[in-house]
Amino acid sequence: DAKTTQPTSMDCAEGRAANLPCNHSTISGNEYVYWYRQIHSQGPQYIIHGLKNNETNEMASLIITEDRKSSTLILPHATLRDTAVYYCIVRPSQGAQKLVFGQGTRLTINP
Amino acid sequence: DAGITQSPRHKVTETGTPVTLRCHQTENHRYMYWYRQDPGHGLRLIHYSYGVKDTDKGEVSDGYSVSRSKTEDFLLTLESATSSQTSVYFCATRGAGGTYEQYFGPGTRLTVT
Repeated sequence: DAKTTQPTSMDCAEGRAANLPCNHSTISGNEYVYWYRQIHSQGPQYIIHGLKNNETNEMASLIITEDRKSSTLILPHATLRDTAVYYCIVRPSQGAQKLVFGQGTRLTINP
Repeated sequence: DAGITQSPRHKVTETGTPVTLRCHQTENHRYMYWYRQDPGHGLRLIHYSYGVKDTDKGEVSDGYSVSRSKTEDFLLTLESATSSQTSVYFCATRGAGGTYEQYFGPGTRLTVT
C-alpha cells in the first residue's frame, strides 16, 4: 500500500535540473509527502518533506500541486553523485511514522 | 547521520541457527526501526520501537523478534534463520515531537545458507 506512483527510471544530464514526478491521488489531509533517496548499497537518505506548500532546502525543492494529488522533486543542478533511487512516500507526521517504500525512480545522471 | 551503527556489517550463517543484529544510536532518538531490503521489494518494515521496552510489528514481522532495553540499542533476532531471511537489513531512527526525517544506518548484509 505504497499509495504513490513513480516512473521506474529517468535520465538527466549533469548540470541540468532533474524533475522527478510522483502521483499520490489518494493522499489524506493529514499526510505529508516525503522524499528519500538511496545511493547504491547505502542506507536511504532523507531529502525533503511537505504538506501543501512548496518547500526548498539545500538539497532540493518540492513542488506540490494545489489539489495535493501529485508532486515533483527538483534537483536544480544535478551532479553524478545524485545518481540514486528516489522514493516518494506519503505518511502522517504523527505517531510512529511507519514508512512504506515503493519501487522508487532510478535516476541516472549522465556526464 | 544520527550516529547510527549496525553490527555486524556482514554475516553468513546456516539455516536453523539464531542470529542477532544490533543497531546502536548516539542521538537519544525515541523511535527506532528495522527494515529489510530485497530485490524487487524495496524496503519493508519488520519491527519498530517507540521507546524503551515499547515495540510493535511492521509489515513483515514473522520469524523476527526485537528488544530495546536501552534507548541507544535496538536488537533484531532471527530465532531460527531461514534462507528466505537472506537480505540487507537497515536500522533507522527518528527523534520525538515535530521531527520528520528518519536517519538510516549503513546496513547489515545477512546470508543464510
